[in-house]
Amino acid sequence: SQQGEEDPQALSIQEGENATMNCSYKTSINNLQWYRQNSGRGLVHLILIRSNEREKHSGRLRVTLDTSKKSSSLLITASRAADTASYFCATWYTNAGKSTFGDGTTLTVKP
Amino acid sequence: GAGVSQSPSNKVTEKGKDVELRCDPISGHTALYWYRQRLGQGLEFLIYFQGNSAPDKSGLPSDRFSAERTGESVSTLTIQRTQQEDSAVYLCASSLEWGGDQPQHFGDGTRLSIL
Repeated sequence: SQQGEEDPQALSIQEGENATMNCSYKTSINNLQWYRQNSGRGLVHLILIRSNEREKHSGRLRVTLDTSKKSSSLLITASRAADTASYFCATWYTNAGKSTFGDGTTLTVKP
Repeated sequence: GAGVSQSPSNKVTEKGKDVELRCDPISGHTALYWYRQRLGQGLEFLIYFQGNSAPDKSGLPSDRFSAERTGESVSTLTIQRTQQEDSAVYLCASSLEWGGDQPQHFGDGTRLSIL
């Protein structure tokens, strides 16, 4: 089964609103990454958070990690139509030796 | 510099035929990954290469799937005797080194359709 699972599966908001997506995982991890995928394109790396970190920021992105709940959230503030994409979390734990991706959250930002 | 390049971008073939997909990673990247993405789903790990180490083939779904990489350059994913369930987008990614703290850089994928 997938290590990371995103919630919600789909999210539709108006431009300017904030978007929050969540990722839950099953076993202890070394780090977690978030990626964006525009339709018909490959994934683009957004941000990495390590297991000993609780929060990271990058521009309009804010990522939190709660290892006790085995969950992470991605917040996009002041969303834009260009943020419309699918967002995936990817978890890595040493024994696996590879990243495991969830099924993603599809975000639609209406202008 | 150039990003990860995959070819062909689209491939339509008949059931039972063999297909070969190509990936050109970013120059200098030692790790290379292949994933499969079915419509509306996440990425399914297939195989990764790291330098001269033996590849991790644990994600290959059957012995019809194989992959090769020459040194730290081009990789090819071959699917023999294709089946309709092989229809998907096949994504390739590379990273500077192997490891969970390395961002993966993705190509735009090959969309494979089996008739």
